[in-house]
Amino acid sequence: AQSVTQPDIHITVSEGASLELRCNYSYGATPYLFWYVQSPGQGLQLLLKYFSGDTLVQGIKGFEAEFKRSQSSFNLRKPSVHWSDAAEYFCAVRNTGFQKLVFGTGTRLLVSP
Amino acid sequence: DVKVTQSSRYLVKRTGEKVFLECVQDMDHENMFWYRQDPGLGLRLIYFSYDVKMKEKGDIPEGYSVSREKKERFSLILESASTNQTSMYLCASSSTSGQGSNIDSGNTIYFGEGSWLTVV
Repeated sequence: AQSVTQPDIHITVSEGASLELRCNYSYGATPYLFWYVQSPGQGLQLLLKYFSGDTLVQGIKGFEAEFKRSQSSFNLRKPSVHWSDAAEYFCAVRNTGFQKLVFGTGTRLLVSP
Repeated sequence: DVKVTQSSRYLVKRTGEKVFLECVQDMDHENMFWYRQDPGLGLRLIYFSYDVKMKEKGDIPEGYSVSREKKERFSLILESASTNQTSMYLCASSSTSGQGSNIDSGNTIYFGEGSWLTVV
């Protein structure tokens, strides 16, 4: 069965600094990969997704992610973090035969002034 | 934009009560899902549905049931609420493109804003 690991529960980044959130997945074939963001008390908003093709994916709000098959990773990056990026971030995987998503446990991003 | 609406944002119910959580989507999506979210556990799938009157168990279906009588509406039912069902519940929907039963479309899953349920 597929699974997703987000090894960092909390990350604190200074405003203006770069960000990388880690995500590793376990799945036999090429998965569909997603990053979602959740602001406090809100639902999940899709940041970006990878299905195939170019392994560097651009998303909304200046985020990007890179799919690395050899490392089974799909890390999320942003070159310069803004205070409004403080939220919880979820990586998710879906296999190619079904619609349901499997989520990681999330990484909470704190942004310091 | 896709709109997934969960009618109740905050509910407080007593142990043993029957609870209905309603979800409506306005994009004619075939697939609908119910997840629960708990700190440190991420999101876990309770039930999903590929079509009207169809339902499939997810990873944690115990204590829950669902109903999908109309394509746009997917209800989560707690027959007898218990305190360990205090959680945030998220509804989601997605489209199936392609022909016939091909669901290998890679379509995005869209989420509602969540329903906070407290069982006392």
